[in-house]
Amino acid sequence: EPEVTQTPSHQVTQMGQEVILRCVPISNHLYFYWYRQILGQKVEFLVSFYNNEISEKSEIFDDQFSVERPDGSNFTLKIRSTKLEDSAMYFCASRPNSGGRTSTDTQYFGPGTRLTVL
Amino acid sequence: AQSVAQPEDQVNVAEGNPLTVKCTYSVSGNPYLFWYVQYPNRGLQFLLKYITGDNLVKGSYGFEAEFNKSQTSFHLKKPSALVSDSALYFCAVRDMRPSLTGGGNKLTFGTGTQLKVEL
Repeated sequence: EPEVTQTPSHQVTQMGQEVILRCVPISNHLYFYWYRQILGQKVEFLVSFYNNEISEKSEIFDDQFSVERPDGSNFTLKIRSTKLEDSAMYFCASRPNSGGRTSTDTQYFGPGTRLTVL
Repeated sequence: AQSVAQPEDQVNVAEGNPLTVKCTYSVSGNPYLFWYVQYPNRGLQFLLKYITGDNLVKGSYGFEAEFNKSQTSFHLKKPSALVSDSALYFCAVRDMRPSLTGGGNKLTFGTGTQLKVEL
């Protein structure tokens, strides 16, 4: 069964450093998402991406964050200058495109990347 | 704005007994509702969803959920719990109204309920 994959599983970085989190969505999916989960808190939406542009972003997704689909398979989240409060589990998700604007498609999640900012 | 509440941080149940994990939601329009499960060191796995139609939705691993519009609830249930069901369960909601671009459709999650099934 196809799965969303994410690398690395755990990333440790120093405050102020740039990090890139990588995701490979399910191959025939067209919508991509990043969510994060700070330890002990709820899963929060960061950004959605379709047709090579951001569809929607949350207040969390400020200028320090960016997303990219550099090729036909990868979807990346970049944090330019990490802060302590960026420490969290970051989940990538993807879904197909049936139904267009009223799509009922399920989002499928990857295993997550645990980011630790020291 | 859409929101989800999971009032119980933890639910304990004996193996073989029925289990219920509670979820209530709030959306402006009609909801799409989802349950996901997270095992330790794993991602979120899709269990089931309610879109429309029958209020009782059946999903993976013997789980089901009942949509109740008047109570704005979508409780997860299983007739007979297994120790292997022990995990963190998340309820999520999406507003049925289409987003302006159609590419968003973000999910809003609850805080999660830790299910512990004991022998």
